[in-house]
Order: sequence, then C-alpha cells, then structure tokens
Amino acid sequence: KAGVTQTPRYLIKTRGQQVTLSCSPISGHRSVSWYQQTPGQGLQFLFEYFSETQRNKGNFPGRFSGRQFSNSRSEMNVSTLELGDSALYLCASSRGGLYQETQYFGPGTRLLVL
Amino acid sequence: QQQVKQSPQSLIVQKGGIPIINCAYENTAFDYFPWYQQFPGKGPALLIAIRPDVSEKKEGRFTISFNKSAKQFSLHIMDSQPGDSATYFCAATYGSARQLTFGSGTQLTVLP
Repeated sequence: KAGVTQTPRYLIKTRGQQVTLSCSPISGHRSVSWYQQTPGQGLQFLFEYFSETQRNKGNFPGRFSGRQFSNSRSEMNVSTLELGDSALYLCASSRGGLYQETQYFGPGTRLLVL
Repeated sequence: QQQVKQSPQSLIVQKGGIPIINCAYENTAFDYFPWYQQFPGKGPALLIAIRPDVSEKKEGRFTISFNKSAKQFSLHIMDSQPGDSATYFCAATYGSARQLTFGSGTQLTVLP
C-alpha cells in the first residue's frame, strides 16, 4: 500500500506570495491533518479535514487555510507569505474513525520564504 | 495547559545503552500518548503508544512507562543501536481527536 505523498517536496517563494501544498493520503484514509515543523516552535497542528469538512483547527492565522476533495486528497494554502512561514509542512492521514488510531505522516514539503 | 514538555533536548549513548526520554503534560483531558521517531528528510513515524489505564507498554526494544498521578511518561530504548539515532517526539491527544500536541523533540545519537 502506498504511503502518504506530498507535493512538491521543496519550494522557494518570496514574501507576499501565496503557496499551495498538496497531500495524497493512504488509500482508504479519510482524515488528513496538517502540521508545521520549525526548529523554534517544533511540530504544531494546523488543521484536520475529514470527509471534505474541517474538523479541527490549530492556533494559526487565517492566512493558513485548507480544503479536502471528495477523493480525500487535501491541499493547504498560505497567503501573503512571511519569512516566519519557512518550515517543513507535514500531512498525516488516518482512517478517521471514532477511536484513536495511528496517523501516518508524509515526508513533508520544505518551504523556504525569501 | 496544552503543552507537553520533553527532556532532554539531546542524548548521546553508547551502543547497547538504554536511553530514556521523559515527557510531562498538564492537560488531564489527554488520554492517548504516542511516541514518534523521525529520521532526517522523513516524516515522523509512530513507534509505540499508551493510554493512561496502563503503567507500562513494551513493543520490541521500546518501552513506555506512564505515571498518571505525576502526569509524566517516558520512553526507554533497550539495547540501543546506531540505527536508532533519530529525533524522538512524545505527543498527546484526547478522545478521537487527530490533533496531536507534540513535545519539543529529543535528538538521540547512539555511538557504535
């Protein structure tokens, strides 16, 4: 079974631009969560989508948004990029049932904002 | 109250040693505590997880000890190997939420 895939793997943008990152979950998984990883703040939860609906949201500004499609693939968008948005963005997928279960992480997209 | 505090920040042990990584939490609503291992260039991968109704769980060379009254839990790696060199994160969540609150990470180096 293929793992979680994220595209692109690396991205360079300039301040003020916007960026869209993509995540394809493991087949059959309906929940996709996004995390930001930085040396200073560590791993922080952004949001989770399940069946095309945002089910949970972390403490990030509105510049960070996401969506999920009917095939469970998810995208996250960051508008008006700031230098501090440079990070590794990880997505994780799980079946999304009522009970706690393993979340499988992708390799991440490394974003550099200049 | 959402924090999970992890220590030490880095750890160096000899092959065969038993590194111990500690975590403490504040939110008593947390009821699921996974540990993740991350290698450079990779996403975190689940190692082992525990719920507060048990005090210890073993999977292979990895053991979690859990102290509910102290709100602390720790990861022990038995007979550590150079291949265990990675960054380890503790995490916590509650109910069926997929929102993981992570510790700050421990960079483990196992010397040959």
